[in-house]
Amino acid sequence: GPKVLQIPSHQIIDMGQMVTLNCDPVSNHLYFYWYKQILGQQMEFLVNFYNGKVMEKSKLFKDQFSVERPDGSYFTLKIQPTALEDSAVYFCASSLDRGYYEQYFGPGTRLTVL
Amino acid sequence: QQQVRQSPQSLTVWEGGTTVLTCSYEDSTFNYFPWYQQFPGEGPALLISILSVSDKKEDGRFTTFFNKREKKLSLHIIDSQPGDSATYFCAASGDSNYQLIWGSGTKLIIKP
Repeated sequence: GPKVLQIPSHQIIDMGQMVTLNCDPVSNHLYFYWYKQILGQQMEFLVNFYNGKVMEKSKLFKDQFSVERPDGSYFTLKIQPTALEDSAVYFCASSLDRGYYEQYFGPGTRLTVL
Repeated sequence: QQQVRQSPQSLTVWEGGTTVLTCSYEDSTFNYFPWYQQFPGEGPALLISILSVSDKKEDGRFTTFFNKREKKLSLHIIDSQPGDSATYFCAASGDSNYQLIWGSGTKLIIKP
């Protein structure tokens, strides 16, 4: 089936540093998402992105977070500066359209903030 | 209030048995309910989904039931197999938002 790729699979950084998580969504998909998962537990929505704009974001999407997809390249999540509580697995997803359309998830990036 | 409650937190079933997972929600505007399956170290993958206009959807050994009046849904797995061992999440969304609201997940173990 369609694949979403995420790079890197694991990132370790010091608190206060900047980190960029990269996502290569399914090629013809138009909607992109970031989710946060801690310890294999609940998935929590961070942000949804469409046509170059943030469409919706949760309270977890702090001011230190930003997303972009310049010129159809990677869909990125940037955290600057990072905090200890940002340690989690971040999943990227994409869908052809919103609503009832299936969201395809990548394998995740495990972020460890020391 | 946007919340999806899922139970049980963990479940062990013997191979060949029937697994039943349940979720409840509060927001009456939710109309799309997917179930995702997640194996360790992987991202979630859509297993089956149902719209609020239906009360049942079947896909092989997996069936999801929806009760709009009680705001509940369930996932039934018949002839459960060790390969079904994974974490299962229910989720919900509606026309008013783009995001999926997730349950807390059920860790399922199928014992041979």
